[in-house]
Amino acid sequence: GENVEQHPSTLSVQEGDSAVIKCTYSDSASNYFPWYKQELGKRPQLIIDIRSNVGEKKDQRIAVTLNKTAKHFSLHITETQPEDSAVYFCAASMGGNNRLAFGKGNQVVVIP
Amino acid sequence: NAGVTQTPKFRILKIGQSMTLQCTQDMNHNYMYWYRQDPGMGLKLIYYSVGAGITDKGEVPNGYNVSRSTTEDFPLRLELAAPSQTSVYFCASSYPQDGGYEQYFGPGTRLTVT
Repeated sequence: GENVEQHPSTLSVQEGDSAVIKCTYSDSASNYFPWYKQELGKRPQLIIDIRSNVGEKKDQRIAVTLNKTAKHFSLHITETQPEDSAVYFCAASMGGNNRLAFGKGNQVVVIP
Repeated sequence: NAGVTQTPKFRILKIGQSMTLQCTQDMNHNYMYWYRQDPGMGLKLIYYSVGAGITDKGEVPNGYNVSRSTTEDFPLRLELAAPSQTSVYFCASSYPQDGGYEQYFGPGTRLTVT
């Protein structure tokens, strides 16, 4: 089955700096790659996603890039703010039926 | 719309007890999922359903059962609870037919088995 790995597990950045989280996946058939943000004690919420026919997607301060050849995709957060502090999960589509395989998550801490 | 709702929010079970975690969505989504989230880990798929009357196993189905008698409801049953089932359980739903893949999550149920 699909195996998704995230690096690094914890990332601390100064407010205003950029944060980059990288995920690798194993199944070359995966074609959908979402990123979810989870604040402490809350539910995961989708912040951005990308499909395999697109190399990059941006939404204000957030962007995702996909390299299908290398089987990795990355989340880029620019001009980080304290409210960006959370756990970020990447995922990749797994088989059919809209199933997702999730990575273990990255704790991002934005230092004011 | 309330979206995806789950009950209860918290529960403590003794070893060997059973319980049902409830999940309801009012978005007319045909796909529904159950995940468990252990500390420091990602989400693991327990069971999923592509429509009423259809369910299938995910990555970690042992010790759980599900049913899907209506589009709205997707309860998760724990029989003979074990400490290894201590976790946070999330229900999610999606509607792939509109071209979207996004899964919408419920608020979660925190379960402790002692």
